[in-house]
Amino acid sequence: SQQGEEDPQALSIQEGENATMNCSYKTSINNLQWYRQNSGRGLVHLILIRSNEREKHSGRLRVTLDTSKKSSSLLITASRAADTASYFCATDAVMNAGNMLTFGGGTRLMVKP
Amino acid sequence: NAGVTQTPKFQVLKTGQSMTLQCAQDMNHNSMYWYRQDPGMGLRLIYYSASEGTTDKGEVPNGYNVSRLNKREFSLRLESAAPSQTSVYFCASSEVGASREGQETQYFGPGTRLLVL
Repeated sequence: SQQGEEDPQALSIQEGENATMNCSYKTSINNLQWYRQNSGRGLVHLILIRSNEREKHSGRLRVTLDTSKKSSSLLITASRAADTASYFCATDAVMNAGNMLTFGGGTRLMVKP
Repeated sequence: NAGVTQTPKFQVLKTGQSMTLQCAQDMNHNSMYWYRQDPGMGLRLIYYSASEGTTDKGEVPNGYNVSRLNKREFSLRLESAAPSQTSVYFCASSEVGASREGQETQYFGPGTRLLVL
């Protein structure tokens, strides 16, 4: 079964609004990463947050991590039509060998112009 | 730098045929990975190679074999394709073991779309 589960599965908002996606996971982690996938393309890394960090920012992205609840959220502020994509969380679990990541099912975000 | 490249982009096979998906990276990364992505779902790890000369099974290895040809190249082989292997296949690479932030990031290729009839 997948380590990470995103919520919601799909999200539709208007340009300029904020988009929030959540990720829950099951086991202890070294870090949690968020990736973006445009339709028909490979995944692109957005941001990494380590288990000892609680919040991180990168441009219009804000990620939070609550290890006590085993959950993370990705906030995209002032969304643009170009933000339309699927967003995946991926966990680097403590028990994993090497640098294995376990991906969630993704949130499909549509930003309407 | 081209990053991670994959060939072919598209392939149609008949049940029972074999094929090899090729992947190469020019970032001098130690680790390489093969994932499959089914419609509306996340990625599932098929096999990975933590370093040149080693390979290990991931979550869904049945029906696949891999070869880490050298540090740059990591191929995925389907010996006898089945309709259940219809999917999009992604190769990725990363550094492993570095303590600096961002070194665990995985870099993905554009994917190979495989249809097995």
